Amino acid sequence: AQSVTQPDIHITVSEGASLELRCNYSYGATPYLFWYVQSPGQGLQLLLKYFSGDTLVQGIKGFEAEFKRSQSSFNLRKPSVHWSDAAEYFCAVGAGSGNTPLVFGKGTRLSVIA
Amino acid sequence: DTAVSQTPKYLVTQMGNDKSIKCEQNLGHDTMYWYKQDSKKFLKIMFSYNNKELIINETVPNRFSPKSPDKAHLNLHINSLELGDSAVYFCASSYRPGAEQYFGPGTRLTVT
Repeated sequence: AQSVTQPDIHITVSEGASLELRCNYSYGATPYLFWYVQSPGQGLQLLLKYFSGDTLVQGIKGFEAEFKRSQSSFNLRKPSVHWSDAAEYFCAVGAGSGNTPLVFGKGTRLSVIA
Repeated sequence: DTAVSQTPKYLVTQMGNDKSIKCEQNLGHDTMYWYKQDSKKFLKIMFSYNNKELIINETVPNRFSPKSPDKAHLNLHINSLELGDSAVYFCASSYRPGAEQYFGPGTRLTVT
């Protein structure tokens, strides 16, 4: 069974600074990996996904993530954070087949200060 | 057009009442889900239907009963509501289990 760990519960960054949110997964085969963002009072929105191919994937809102098989990681990055990026971020892992749904991490809350 | 919609957005009710939350998706997906998100933002999957067939039924009190009248709809009925049921409930859909999911806006349930 797959699992996801987001080691950081809460991160605070200054507006304009770079951001990296960590995600580690456990899965025996090649995983399907996702990052979601949840703004206050909203549902989860898909930021980006990785299935195969180029290990650096681009998403919406200027985010990117890099799949590193050797480290079982899929960290989310953004070069310059905006105040509107303050939200909860969830990493998720899925299987390529079968009935197993996505497994979500516990989330990382991002605060942005001026 | 809203891809995944839920009604109502807010639901305030008293202990012991029965309530339903409705979900509809217009993405043509085969799989739908119900999640419960607690105050710490932890997402817990409750149920999943694939082609109207229940495929995931996590450890959830049997007061919770999902119903999928067709592939585009998944409703959640809750009997005898308790204080601990207060949470945000999200509906989601995907074209197959394990694929990326698209979430509704959530229903905030408050039991008093």
